[in-house]
Amino acid sequence: DGGITQSPKYLFRKEGQNVTLSCEQNLNHDAMYWYRQDPGQGLRLIYYSQIVNDFQKGDIAEGYSVSREKKESFPLTVTSAQKNPTAFYLCASSREVGPAPYEQYFGPGTRLTVT
Amino acid sequence: AQSVAQPEDQVNVAEGNPLTVKCTYSVSGNPYLFWYVQYPNRGLQFLLKYITGDNLVKGSYGFEAEFNKSQTSFHLKKPSALVSDSALYFCAVRDAGGFKTIFGAGTRLFVKA
Repeated sequence: DGGITQSPKYLFRKEGQNVTLSCEQNLNHDAMYWYRQDPGQGLRLIYYSQIVNDFQKGDIAEGYSVSREKKESFPLTVTSAQKNPTAFYLCASSREVGPAPYEQYFGPGTRLTVT
Repeated sequence: AQSVAQPEDQVNVAEGNPLTVKCTYSVSGNPYLFWYVQYPNRGLQFLLKYITGDNLVKGSYGFEAEFNKSQTSFHLKKPSALVSDSALYFCAVRDAGGFKTIFGAGTRLFVKA
């Protein structure tokens, strides 16, 4: 089955530690995204990548970093510089070729709790 | 700049009644419009998207959406609600000339049996 996997589902860290969230897709999509979801705020874009070895900051990139070394993978690191990291993190991908518009496909999410 | 507004935090309907979840948007160019649904503790699932020329768009699970250019709206509708439709619904917009998609804050739908 094609889709997006995120691991782990739940993640707990102590304040001051960096943590990396995994995102893998086997949909052969070129574009990948990371969103943060907080209650009542919808989804906010952290980073996005249109092609391998290229990525751009979204609206709330401070305290986060990403890499895109392979088409299938787009890991997100939450650094100790992120002031309020506890949230639900969603990874997504989209096709970006052929007839538009291009819907996004989402992973199941990772709930990060930092104490 | 793009923006999308979902004016209702919550919508309550009785099972079997029609439902509407409202969405208005703002983009500088032509809009790409989407609706997604999120069930508890899960990722978002795509419901439907607006394609130029079709003002009434049909999607998954019996949902449809009505595009109104003059009112810059893209309201989600269903003729007969089911209890299983209870979830969090997100409207999203992307400028056809751009790359980023902006999501609304979400509307929680409760369908009562």
